[in-house]
Amino acid sequence: DAGITQSPRHKVTETGTPVTLRCHQTENHRYMYWYRQDPGHGLRLIHYSYGVKDTDKGEVSDGYSVSRSKTEDFLLTLESATSSQTSVYFCAISRGQGNSPLHFGNGTRLTVT
Amino acid sequence: DQQVKQNSPSLSVQEGRISILNCDYTNSMFDYFLWYKKYPAEGPTFLISISSIKDKNEDGRFTVFLNKSAKHLSLHIVPSQPGDSAVYFCAAAIDQGGSEKLVFGKGTKLTVNP
Repeated sequence: DAGITQSPRHKVTETGTPVTLRCHQTENHRYMYWYRQDPGHGLRLIHYSYGVKDTDKGEVSDGYSVSRSKTEDFLLTLESATSSQTSVYFCAISRGQGNSPLHFGNGTRLTVT
Repeated sequence: DQQVKQNSPSLSVQEGRISILNCDYTNSMFDYFLWYKKYPAEGPTFLISISSIKDKNEDGRFTVFLNKSAKHLSLHIVPSQPGDSAVYFCAAAIDQGGSEKLVFGKGTKLTVNP
């Protein structure tokens, strides 16, 4: 198992509240990613990071922000949670080259009521 | 527009038989393909990959076949075991494009019946 820890594993929050999800890795991989998984959509990239303080948007970045102040930590923030952000969120890491497989954490199930 | 399509949302097979999961892609620039397996309440795990310079890659019971002209790949599991029951995601990338360019299909849920 790649050393990836996501916290919390489950969260229920109310519409309009800010939420931060944390991903911690012990592999010292340069690249980190946040995906969401929804029925009928598979895995979609939200944001990714290619180094400390270096981040970029993915396919579904609206309503989300990220920060990476240390190699091992990648934070995903929902500034004002909406019901459409109810989802399972996965963090992943890789060495970054095109043929480097992603290694995923076990996910955070977020419910926005 | 979906660039990677897994047209079968689910597949059910008997233990010991072959499971064939299919994946089609539309972007001819894709030259590296991966399969991930996902159990409930866990993250996806990398299963097997294939580069476009090959048409087959085998790893134990798992074989991936690539048909570039048809823009089609398939994952064969022989023999299928109940522990193979999971959701399988196909993914495609441009080899030098970086992992952020990985495009996933919607997944196929495989059920292997004892």
